[in-house]
Amino acid sequence: DTGVSQDPRHKITKRGQNVTFRCDPISEHNRLYWYRQTLGQGPEFLTYFQNEAQLEKSRLLSDRFSAERPKGSFSTLEIQRTEQGDSAMYLCASSLRGQGSTEAFFGQGTRLTVV
Amino acid sequence: DAKTTQPTSMDCAEGRAANLPCNHSTISGNEYVYWYRQIHSQGPQYIIHGLKNNETNEMASLIITEDRKSSTLILPHATLRDTAVYYCIVRLHNNDMRFGAGTRLTVKP
Repeated sequence: DTGVSQDPRHKITKRGQNVTFRCDPISEHNRLYWYRQTLGQGPEFLTYFQNEAQLEKSRLLSDRFSAERPKGSFSTLEIQRTEQGDSAMYLCASSLRGQGSTEAFFGQGTRLTVV
Repeated sequence: DAKTTQPTSMDCAEGRAANLPCNHSTISGNEYVYWYRQIHSQGPQYIIHGLKNNETNEMASLIITEDRKSSTLILPHATLRDTAVYYCIVRLHNNDMRFGAGTRLTVKP
């Protein structure tokens, strides 16, 4: 257990429905990252937050995707009008930005299946 | 961030050292080398990182060449539980990480 928790662990949804995932980072970590991973590929960067500010978004993050981190604590990732191509593992990670490099700790992920 | 090149797959005998190479010829002077691994259906797990000097922790050793264009992750006594995909990442201090396809290490009895 890394201390980063994600909910739910698995989600099956019908095409066209909206889904929302939650990530609770390690409490003192000020950076939070979202990644997407499809079968056989490495994780692909989606976006990251420094406290409550969303500092970078990948081109993978289409306008159907939105992420928030209110109050700089937990984060949510919402996908609207899901498509079959959205089926993937969605990973969250957190780290502490400070002096020196610091490692990021990952949660177990939320596996989304769009049918 | 600099790109990395890793072999697609490697095998290692249980109890032997596993040496996983990574090329990062375009690494810049202030980029760190990080290694993560991912066991099936789990999130990536941090292993070790370094800038210039070789590093060792309870999991592994990291050897970085003097010109920093390549590195090797060493698992000194591989076990079956070390079977995983190993990712080599170079990144600027505190930047987000960009993963490649990694090396699939299979430890065989």
